[in-house]
Amino acid sequence: NAGVTQTPKFQVLKTGQSMTLQCAQDMNHEYMSWYRQDPGMGLRLIHYSVGAGITDQGEVPNGYNVSRSTTEDFPLRLLSAAPSQTSVYFCASRDTGNEKLFFGSGTQLSVL
Amino acid sequence: AQSVSQHNHHVILSEAASLELGCNYSYGGTVNLFWYVQYPGQHLQLLLKYFSGDPLVKGIKGFEAEFIKSKFSFNLRKPSVQWSDTAEYFCAVNDRTNAGKSTFGDGTTLTVKP
Repeated sequence: NAGVTQTPKFQVLKTGQSMTLQCAQDMNHEYMSWYRQDPGMGLRLIHYSVGAGITDQGEVPNGYNVSRSTTEDFPLRLLSAAPSQTSVYFCASRDTGNEKLFFGSGTQLSVL
Repeated sequence: AQSVSQHNHHVILSEAASLELGCNYSYGGTVNLFWYVQYPGQHLQLLLKYFSGDPLVKGIKGFEAEFIKSKFSFNLRKPSVQWSDTAEYFCAVNDRTNAGKSTFGDGTTLTVKP
């Protein structure tokens, strides 16, 4: 009963490096999303997807790319990391009944 | 675009005090409303939700929230807080006409003193 699995849990990058945050869910949820959590700013939506092959931008999409080739996976790519991307990132999924979001355990990212 | 506003950024209470956290949203369409809680070191989990019907909804751990449509508000309440309620609380709105996109408020940090 894994739910939403995020990897890695911690990551340190240098400015300009690229990386991919992985997110997988085993609940057959159509909706998946990525948020970043910063102190005093709550959770801000980066990108979301309502199904395989469909993605859309959230509030703060700049500097991030996503793809949704399968229902299970929704990776988040940082093409050229910047210090402003230092944050905690959460992946979340939800079924089509507009029910609650299921969150992963988060990735703490530091960009030096 | 929809937005969610939480009135208090940090609330400090003593045990047994009553709690009310404000949440207002700005969106004219059909929405579902949620409160999530994040305990220290953990990820978010659902506290309660409102879809339709009775505007007073009850959640886990003695929490409740009231939806007031005319005020676009969904305030969270608890009659008597405990030290274990220390956490960060987030109000969230799902836009039912826009793929159910979820928008969160900035969060309210609640500290309960024993």
